[in-house]
Amino acid sequence: TQLLEQSPQFLSIQEGENLTVYCNSSSVFSSLQWYRQEPGEGPVLLVTVVTGGEVKKLKRLTFQFGDARKDSSLHITAAQPGDTGLYLCAGANTGNQFYFGTGTSLTVIP
Amino acid sequence: KAGVTQTPRYLIKTRGQQVTLSCSPISGHRSVSWYQQTPGQGLQFLFEYFSETQRNKGNFPGRFSGRQFSNSRSEMNVSTLELGDSALYLCASSLGGLGGDEQFFGPGTRLTVL
Repeated sequence: TQLLEQSPQFLSIQEGENLTVYCNSSSVFSSLQWYRQEPGEGPVLLVTVVTGGEVKKLKRLTFQFGDARKDSSLHITAAQPGDTGLYLCAGANTGNQFYFGTGTSLTVIP
Repeated sequence: KAGVTQTPRYLIKTRGQQVTLSCSPISGHRSVSWYQQTPGQGLQFLFEYFSETQRNKGNFPGRFSGRQFSNSRSEMNVSTLELGDSALYLCASSLGGLGGDEQFFGPGTRLTVL
């Protein structure tokens, strides 16, 4: 059972464009994390959000946790080729078990 | 501080064999989780160990097992390998607090079953 659905599944954009990736679930999570993974490597943690409605900014990346703690979004402003990778969201329950989203493969074309 | 390390990085086995993968967590981390990643299924949770005890378990058959040692290092074993077990196996370590501690992943072990 896939608890977290991400959209879009694939995204190919030009350098300088903006984009938003969505992570949706019918389940409530204690916290939600976003990762970026490059081929042949493990996912690298980008951010953790824990409070409903929370917004966190990391340079050109903005992360939002839904008020009900069931969904999240990742917005990238002025995408760069270095942003290319697989973006994964992961929700955690109170027992420290993580459920990963289906993933969004982003390609930024120079 | 050293990151999460996994050995070996690559492994080729044949059907019916068994395999053991190793994971060394970040120093001070007491929780180790294992995941299987395939193109079709994405990242699937296998199990989590905390203080040498299995605390969480995913929906994988009993052929997949693990253990954790007193120094928090963990091993994962897969017996009677099947072609479908070919995947990237990732481990992640965290401090182990409940509610979703930050996880840090290793580079993974790429297992190919022929």
